[in-house]
Amino acid sequence: AQSVSQHNHHVILSEAASLELGCNYSYGGTVNLFWYVQYPGQHLQLLLKYFSGDPLVKGIKGFEAEFIKSKFSFNLRKPSVQWSDTAEYFCAAGPRYGQNFVFGPGTRLSVLP
Amino acid sequence: DGGITQSPKYLFRKEGQNVTLSCEQNLNHDAMYWYRQDPGQGLRLIYYSQIVNDFQKGDIAEGYSVSREKKESFPLTVTSAQKNPTAFYLCASSLSGGSEKLFFGSGTQLSVL
Repeated sequence: AQSVSQHNHHVILSEAASLELGCNYSYGGTVNLFWYVQYPGQHLQLLLKYFSGDPLVKGIKGFEAEFIKSKFSFNLRKPSVQWSDTAEYFCAAGPRYGQNFVFGPGTRLSVLP
Repeated sequence: DGGITQSPKYLFRKEGQNVTLSCEQNLNHDAMYWYRQDPGQGLRLIYYSQIVNDFQKGDIAEGYSVSREKKESFPLTVTSAQKNPTAFYLCASSLSGGSEKLFFGSGTQLSVL
C-alpha cells in the first residue's frame, strides 16, 4: 500500500538553526514528490516539488529538498530558519500519471525568536 | 482573485443529520478533491473527480457522498452513516488530475453536537 511517513511530529528550533525534516515514502512505480506548508491561519500551499531530473530541488523561502531514490526519501532542509517558518509541513507523494496523492501525517515546526 | 472557496468555515451536525460542505473553484481546473484532516494523521482522501459527472472513491469514502454537476463545484455530503464526522475538511483542485500541484481551500471544521 502507498504510504508516506514523516520522522517528527513536532520540531522546536531557535532562529538561525538549521532544519531537516524527514520524509519517507512507499509507492510502487514512478512518483512525484511534494512538500506542502500550512502557516497559521492560511491555506495549505506548495513549498516545492520533484518530478524528475536534478534530485536537489529548491522551493520558496529558501527551502530545498533532496530526493534519494535508494532510500525512498525526500527530506526537506533549510540552512537557517526564521520565526516566520513556524508552520505545519506535509510531505506528499503521487503517481506520475494519476490522482491519488498520499500525504504524510505532518510535522509541526515551532521556531523560537 | 482566482482560487477555491469553501463554505461554511464552521459547521455543526446533529446526530442522524446529513450536512453538505460547499467547494467552488474559479481556476478552470478539471480535477477536484476532498480531504479529511485529523490531528496527527495528515490528510486522507475522501473522493476525487477528474471531470464533470465523474468521481472516484478515495481511501475513506464510507459515509460520504459527492456530486460533480459543474466543473466549478464539488460539494461533499457527510451522511448520518459517517459515525465519526468531526474533522477539518479540505477541498483541493489541480489542473488536470495528473499528480501535479494541488491548490487548497481554507477548509471547513465540522463538529457534532
